[in-house]
Amino acid sequence: QSALTQPASVSGSPGQSITISCTGTTSDVGGYNYVSWYQHHPGKAPKLMIYEVSNRPSGVSNRFSGSKSGNTASLTISGLQAEDEADYYCKSYRSSSTYVFGSGTRVTVL
Amino acid sequence: EVQLLESGGGVVQPGGSLRLSCEASGFTFSNCAMTWVRQAPGKGLEWVSSISPSGDSSGYVDSVKGRFTLSRDNSKNTLYLQMNSLRAEDTAVYYCAKANIAAVGVRSGLDSWGQGTLVTVSS
Repeated sequence: QSALTQPASVSGSPGQSITISCTGTTSDVGGYNYVSWYQHHPGKAPKLMIYEVSNRPSGVSNRFSGSKSGNTASLTISGLQAEDEADYYCKSYRSSSTYVFGSGTRVTVL
Repeated sequence: EVQLLESGGGVVQPGGSLRLSCEASGFTFSNCAMTWVRQAPGKGLEWVSSISPSGDSSGYVDSVKGRFTLSRDNSKNTLYLQMNSLRAEDTAVYYCAKANIAAVGVRSGLDSWGQGTLVTVSS
């Protein structure tokens, strides 16, 4: 059960927009609209940022948005802020009650 | 306020067993699918197992199938992960998490997480 593919790192300056990709297959990302995104600051519990491809939980800033095209999902952070610096993971449903996370992306605010 | 409190982690020898517990409060536990996610040192998050609200359905990552068993006691608001035949590669922080939308289950994402419990498999 290989992980979904994410870039190892993405960086941007404060105020800029960045996009993190999450590439899978037709058996996971491409086959279902059940992609979620998590922000993880080391030593803390992960936080749900996006669910079902593009929905934001209450309390999550509207600077975070999600989308999907084919087998690739994307998380965009607009108006990048210092507190956005963290690791980000996508997760997808993969049939038969199984799930898979992405390999993770370290976001650095320059 | 939703709270998930994991316990049961520790140091165990290869081939040994541990049982992790996750005590839940602040929501209707019996309505929610639950999940364990782990993070090995220096690695990313890995989905381990999920269980339906009633406990009659569960799924596992291939690497733990036949060794780990996920169960729940809805009368005690507690989730359990029985881990047998432990290997060095099972060393990780194990997080308990709840489904975002009860009606959709884990497919809707994991909206609340515990702080994690560390499992170290070493001789």
